[in-house]
Amino acid sequence: GDSVTQMEGPVTLSEEAFLTINCTYTATGYPSLFWYVQYPGEGLQLLLKATKADDKGSNKGFEATYRKETTSFHLEKGSVQVSDSAVYFCALTNAGKSTFGDGTTLTVKP
Amino acid sequence: GAGVSQSPRYKVAKRGQDVALRCDPISGHVSLFWYQQALGQGPEFLTYFQNEAQLDKSGLPSDRFFAERPEGSVSTLKIQRTQQEDSAVYLCASSLLEGVDYGYTFGSGTRLTVV
Repeated sequence: GDSVTQMEGPVTLSEEAFLTINCTYTATGYPSLFWYVQYPGEGLQLLLKATKADDKGSNKGFEATYRKETTSFHLEKGSVQVSDSAVYFCALTNAGKSTFGDGTTLTVKP
Repeated sequence: GAGVSQSPRYKVAKRGQDVALRCDPISGHVSLFWYQQALGQGPEFLTYFQNEAQLDKSGLPSDRFFAERPEGSVSTLKIQRTQQEDSAVYLCASSLLEGVDYGYTFGSGTRLTVV
C-alpha cells in the first residue's frame, strides 16, 4: 500500500535558520502531495500542495517540489521564525484516500 | 459554518461504553473523511463519504466502528463497546469537491480516552 516517510524529529533551529524537512513516499499511480501544519492546541491546516510532477507548492515562505524521480516532497523555508514552531505532516492522496507521515516537530528558538 | 466543527472536544468513556462523535463539515462540502490519530503518529484513514454515500470504510478497525452521514452534511462516528486501544484523537475533514486534490479542511478533533 501507499506510505509516507518523514524525517524524524524533533528539529530545533534558531530564528532565521534554513529549514529542510525530508519526505519520501511510495505509491502506485500519480498521487497528489501535501504538507499540513498543526500549531499547538489547533487542528491540522493545509500548508501547501502539488498535484503533479515538478510542481512547486508554496505558502507563507515554505516551499516543496514534487520530485517523481526521487519520490520526494521535501519542505523548505529560507528563514524560520519562532511562530513556525509546530508539527509538520507530509501526506499523499491517491484514489480518494490520504496517507500521512508521522509528523516532524519543529521548535524555533529566538 | 466557517470551519469544520467537531464535538465533543474531549470524551472520557468507561471500557465497554458506547460513544458517538459528531462532525459538522463546512457547508456545501461534498467529501467528508474520518481519521484516527494516535499519540505521536500521523492520522490514519478510517472512512470516506461523498455526500451521503459511504464510498470507503476500509480503515475502520473493527465492526465496533460505524459511521453515517444520512443527509449528506453532519456525520457521526459511533464506537460500540469501547476498548482501551480506541483511545486516540478522532479527526474529521471535509473537502469541497469530489477529488481531494484541493486538500482537506480539518476539525480540531475529539480526544477519546477509554478508562
